Amino acid sequence: GDKVKQSPSALSLQEGTNSALRCNFSIAATTVQWFLQNPRGSLINLFYLVPGTKENGRLKSAFDSKESYSTLHIRDAQLEDSGTYFCAADSGGSNYKLTFGKGTLLTVTP
Amino acid sequence: NSKVIQTPRYLVKGQGQKAKMRCIPEKGHPVVFWYQQNKNNEFKFLINFQNQEVLQQIDMTEKRFSAECPSNSPCSLEIQSSEAGDSALYLCASSLQGSGNTLYFGEGSRLIVV
Repeated sequence: GDKVKQSPSALSLQEGTNSALRCNFSIAATTVQWFLQNPRGSLINLFYLVPGTKENGRLKSAFDSKESYSTLHIRDAQLEDSGTYFCAADSGGSNYKLTFGKGTLLTVTP
Repeated sequence: NSKVIQTPRYLVKGQGQKAKMRCIPEKGHPVVFWYQQNKNNEFKFLINFQNQEVLQQIDMTEKRFSAECPSNSPCSLEIQSSEAGDSALYLCASSLQGSGNTLYFGEGSRLIVV
C-alpha cells in the first residue's frame, strides 16, 4: 500500500472558506514537507516540519510523529490557493530521499 | 521563491533517442535530487548528489540513465535510450543538507516520448 496516504484526493472550496488536508504515514517519518504544485509544474515549499506545528499567514500545518500523520489547514481560501498539494516524509538516517503522497487537487471557486 | 533552474521546459523524443535535462541548483546548495513525477502524480526518486558525488540512486537510473553534477557546471540527467514509459515530469531539487532540510524544486522538464 501507499507509504504516504493523502486525503482527500480532490477538494473544491468556495472562496473565503476553510478546510484541512491530511497525510497518514506508514513509514517512520521524522520530518514532513508540504508543497504546492502550480500549473507551471513548480513545487513550492510551504512548510518543513519536525513534530509540532507551524503557521504562515492563512496556512497552518501540524505533524504528529507518534500518531503518524500531518495536516495542512487552509483558512479563508483564495483563488490563488488552487493547485495540487503534496506532502512528503523523510524517514531520516542516511536515506535522504523523500516519500511523496499522491496529492490533493484543490480548486477554489468564486 | 526557488532559484533552481531547469532546462529545457519541454522535450519530445522518439523511442530509442537520448534525452538530456539540466539543472542549476540554488547557489550554495551542495545536495541535488532528481525525481520523476508521472501522470498519476507518483514521485519516483532517481538519484541524488552531494557536490559531485552520487549519494544514492535507484537501479533504473544506474542502468539506463547517465547523471552528473560537475563543479561549476549545471547538473544533468540523460536517458540513454528513451522508452514510452519515460514520459514524465523530471524535477530537480536542491538543499543545504541531504536529510533534515527543506527541498527547493525547479519547474521541471517535461519529457514526451513518442
